[in-house]
Amino acid sequence: GNSVTQMEGPVTLSEEAFLTINCTYTATGYPSLFWYVQYPGEGLQLLLKATKADDKGSNKGFEATYRKETTSFHLEKGSVQVSDSAVYFCALSESTGRRALTFGSGTRLQVQP
Amino acid sequence: NAGVTQTPKFRILKIGQSMTLQCTQDMNHNYMYWYRQDPGMGLKLIYYSVGAGITDKGEVPNGYNVSRSTTEDFPLRLELAAPSQTSVYFCASSYDRGQPPLFGQGTRLTVV
Repeated sequence: GNSVTQMEGPVTLSEEAFLTINCTYTATGYPSLFWYVQYPGEGLQLLLKATKADDKGSNKGFEATYRKETTSFHLEKGSVQVSDSAVYFCALSESTGRRALTFGSGTRLQVQP
Repeated sequence: NAGVTQTPKFRILKIGQSMTLQCTQDMNHNYMYWYRQDPGMGLKLIYYSVGAGITDKGEVPNGYNVSRSTTEDFPLRLELAAPSQTSVYFCASSYDRGQPPLFGQGTRLTVV
């Protein structure tokens, strides 16, 4: 079946540091890939997406590239802010069938001033 | 647009009690989903629906029931609450199954 593996957290960074959160996946076919963000006490919000190999999703300074050869979708940001502190989830959507999302376990990011 | 609205936001149940978690969306989305989120874990799919009158099981359906009588509403029913159902429940919807779903704010449920 499908699965998503994320690096364990928490990840603690100082403001303006470079962020990488690793995500790898297992899936049949050609899934779509997503990053969601969850701020404390809130629901999940879509951060960015990529629907085919070599696509780069980007939003709010975050980027992730769909790498089919390494089955990866790592999240990066060049300079994090305190307001980026949240839990980040990597997810995939099957290319056929019900297309419901399969989520990774989430990575908590803490950014210190 | 209100998006996806879940009620209640918090609830404490005793073992064996029943309740319904409400979910409604005003975006005319066909696809609706119920997930649960356990601490330190990703979200697990409980049930989903591809349109009014059509529902199907996800990964963890035991202990839950759903119905979809209208496009807007997708309630989740717990018949005999158990401590293992303590979790945060999220409802989500999308217009097309290829689109990433929009999530509600969640319902935090504790069974004691």
